[in-house]
Amino acid sequence: AQSVTQPDIHITVSEGASLELRCNYSYGATPYLFWYVQSPGQGLQLLLKYFSGDTLVQGIKGFEAEFKRSQSSFNLRKPSVHWSDAAEYFCAVGARNFGNEKLTFGTGTRLTIIP
Amino acid sequence: GAGVSQSPSNKVTEKGKDVELRCDPISGHTALYWYRQSLGQGLEFLIYFQGNSAPDKSGLPSDRFSAERTGGSVSTLTIQRTQQEDSAVYLCASSLQGVTDTQYFGPGTRLTVL
Repeated sequence: AQSVTQPDIHITVSEGASLELRCNYSYGATPYLFWYVQSPGQGLQLLLKYFSGDTLVQGIKGFEAEFKRSQSSFNLRKPSVHWSDAAEYFCAVGARNFGNEKLTFGTGTRLTIIP
Repeated sequence: GAGVSQSPSNKVTEKGKDVELRCDPISGHTALYWYRQSLGQGLEFLIYFQGNSAPDKSGLPSDRFSAERTGGSVSTLTIQRTQQEDSAVYLCASSLQGVTDTQYFGPGTRLTVL
């Protein structure tokens, strides 16, 4: 079964600084990988996803993520954060086998932005 | 168009009572998912419906939990004999077909069991 680890429960970053949120997965093959964001009082929204091809994926709101097979990682990055990026971020992994069509989410990383 | 809607938005119940949570997916989406979000626990998969196929119930935590999806659209998650540990936010999501499609989440139902 697949699993996801987000080692950082809470990260604080200054506005304008760069950001990297870590995500490690466990799966026997190349999985489907996703990053979702949950802003205060709002539902979860997809930031980006990786299925195959170019390992650097661009998403909405200026986010990107890089799939590194050798490290079983799919870290989320943003070169310069804005106060509106304060939210909870979830990494998720999906299996490629029929009959296991579900996403497994990590426990999330809460991002705080300071002025 | 309308997104995924869930009702009620909040539900307070007493231990031992049954509750029903409703999810209206996006029209035309054949895949529907239920998740549970507890404080500090992330999202826990509960059940997955895809078209007319048998649902994937592998995430349901006990036989007190059940779900159905009528007419390939609206879904109801039922929790019987609620316990305090059932307190959480229950999220519903729908996608066009399956795991590779973007899941669109509803606002959730916050369940509190006293």
